Amino acid sequence: NAGVMQNPRHLVRRRGQEARLRCSPMKGHSHVYWYRQLPEEGLKFMVYLQKENIIDESGMPKERFSAEFPKEGPSILRIQQVVRGDSAAYFCASSPSGQRYNEQFFGPGTRLTVL
Amino acid sequence: AQSVAQPEDQVNVAEGNPLTVKCTYSVSGNPYLFWYVQYPNRGLQFLLKYITGDNLVKGSYGFEAEFNKSQTSFHLKKPSALVSDSALYFCAVRDKEAAGNKLTFGGGTRVLVKP
Repeated sequence: NAGVMQNPRHLVRRRGQEARLRCSPMKGHSHVYWYRQLPEEGLKFMVYLQKENIIDESGMPKERFSAEFPKEGPSILRIQQVVRGDSAAYFCASSPSGQRYNEQFFGPGTRLTVL
Repeated sequence: AQSVAQPEDQVNVAEGNPLTVKCTYSVSGNPYLFWYVQYPNRGLQFLLKYITGDNLVKGSYGFEAEFNKSQTSFHLKKPSALVSDSALYFCAVRDKEAAGNKLTFGGGTRVLVKP
């Protein structure tokens, strides 16, 4: 059973460009979470999605950031008009339904560098 | 609101000696508690969790943690540290009574095990 997949692993963008980060959850997992890690800091929750629904977006910046988890395909975290402060590692996690709902499995992350 | 504190930025220990990484938490209700480990340029790997039941939880790679409700702590321990345990360790909490499945992470503790 493959783990959580994220791509690209590294992404370089210039200020003002768009960044698209993709996350494929573990097989059978229908809950997806996005977290951001700034250098030398812990992870900060951004958004929690189920298929086609945003459940909790309390950690998402109000502007330029959006997330989706369509019925088919990976979850996408989209950052428009990137700025240098967006440089960070973005981690996706997934969890199953049922008894193990609380256990989140993390992907390897996408490291975004904004020049 | 939920929060986690890891009071030590770094812990140094000699190989073969006991290892303890401290974590205290704050939640409005009852906590779900987790420990994750992160190796350089990698995602987070799950170590162990406390959901309910025995206060002493055993996890991967010989690690264990003790839930102490009166002290609101969930310290991670290993009786005999290995050089390969050198990594960044994160404690996380989720309020059992809160909606959603958002994890709040501590700032991380870097563990350095010297031969």
